[in-house]
Amino acid sequence: AQSVTQLGSHVSVSEGALVLLRCNYSSSVPPYLFWYVQYPNQGLQLLLKYTTGATLVKGINGFEAEFKKSETSFHLTKPSAHMSDAAEYFCAVSVEGGSNYKLTFGKGTLLTVNP
Amino acid sequence: GAGVSQSPSNKVTEKGKDVELRCDPISGHTALYWYRQSLGQGLEFLIYFQGNSAPDKSGLPSDRFSAERTGGSVSTLTIQRTQQEDSAVYLCASSFWNEQFFGPGTRLTVL
Repeated sequence: AQSVTQLGSHVSVSEGALVLLRCNYSSSVPPYLFWYVQYPNQGLQLLLKYTTGATLVKGINGFEAEFKKSETSFHLTKPSAHMSDAAEYFCAVSVEGGSNYKLTFGKGTLLTVNP
Repeated sequence: GAGVSQSPSNKVTEKGKDVELRCDPISGHTALYWYRQSLGQGLEFLIYFQGNSAPDKSGLPSDRFSAERTGGSVSTLTIQRTQQEDSAVYLCASSFWNEQFFGPGTRLTVL
């Protein structure tokens, strides 16, 4: 079975500061890794994903994440926070099980951006 | 439509009543997933469809929960004899491969 741990249920940064949201996973087989963002009263929007290949993945809105197998991590970063980045962020893992790619999510990290 | 749609967006029901939640996936997506998002449990997988078949129902919390999919398209999640602990946001996602696209969810409140 897979699991995801997101360190910090709430992260607060100043506008223009670095955003770092931490995600560690556990999987006995090669994982697919995802970051989703959820704005209030909305569904989940995919920010970026790692499947195979390049371990540094770039996503939408200036976010990127690096898959580090040795550390079982997939931390999300953005060099400069914007007010519009305030939302809840979820890290998720899936593995190839036939055609079933069900997601296992972390508990989420609420990002607050202060002016 | 361009994305996954779900209806209703909000549902308030009384304990013991049955409810049906609907999901319209992206056209052509063969896989469909239901998840539940609650304060206590976070985001949890409920059921997976491939076409009209549900090979993975491992996340359904009790036999009060059931789901079906017809025509390889629309899916309905049914909760019978609702309980207060069923209050949550129910999210549907569809996918072609390993990337899932989520709908806006149905917020279910059981009084």
